[in-house]
Amino acid sequence: NAGVTQTPKFQVLKTGQSMTLQCAQDMNHEYMSWYRQDPGMGLRLIHYSVGAGITDQGEVPNGYNVSRSTTEDFPLRLLSAAPSQTSVYFCASSYSRGERGETQYFGPGTRLLVL
Amino acid sequence: AQSVTQPDIHITVSEGASLELRCNYSYGATPYLFWYVQSPGQGLQLLLKYFSGDTLVQGIKGFEAEFKRSQSSFNLRKPSVHWSDAAEYFCAVGASNQFYFGTGTSLTVIP
Repeated sequence: NAGVTQTPKFQVLKTGQSMTLQCAQDMNHEYMSWYRQDPGMGLRLIHYSVGAGITDQGEVPNGYNVSRSTTEDFPLRLLSAAPSQTSVYFCASSYSRGERGETQYFGPGTRLLVL
Repeated sequence: AQSVTQPDIHITVSEGASLELRCNYSYGATPYLFWYVQSPGQGLQLLLKYFSGDTLVQGIKGFEAEFKRSQSSFNLRKPSVHWSDAAEYFCAVGASNQFYFGTGTSLTVIP
């Protein structure tokens, strides 16, 4: 099993550009999520999905879009990049949502710099 | 509302010394609690989790954590720290459709 994979590992964007961060898992997990990690702020939830075709917003969804067409893939789209979106982005997956106590598995992260 | 507080932003300990990282949570029901570790430039790895039963939970790498309902705490401990334990540690609670993370504690280990 590859676990949770993320591409790219590092990306530099100019303000206003759009891009898609890819996330895939091969563990047949229903629950997938995207976090951003900023110094002193821990991990903040951007969007999550409880299954194919079902997504919902987390704590900081503005400027991001997601879709879940398959169980395996959960891409995160930046619609018009802003310097405030400079961050490290983590994708995670688990068998189920938080209240069932399932372990989340994290990808290696994507480091994004917006100039 | 659910929340997780890690009051210590940064902790420095000497190699071989004991370690305790604090975590307090706010949640209306019995929580599922997690400790993750993040090495520099890496993703998060699960150390241990609590979901029921024995309030003292054993994890990987010699870590343990104790759930104290009366104090709403889930502190992480290790009796003897190794230099390789230097990392960022995150406490998290699983609630409803989400997982809530604390802001993390950065651990420095002095030789």
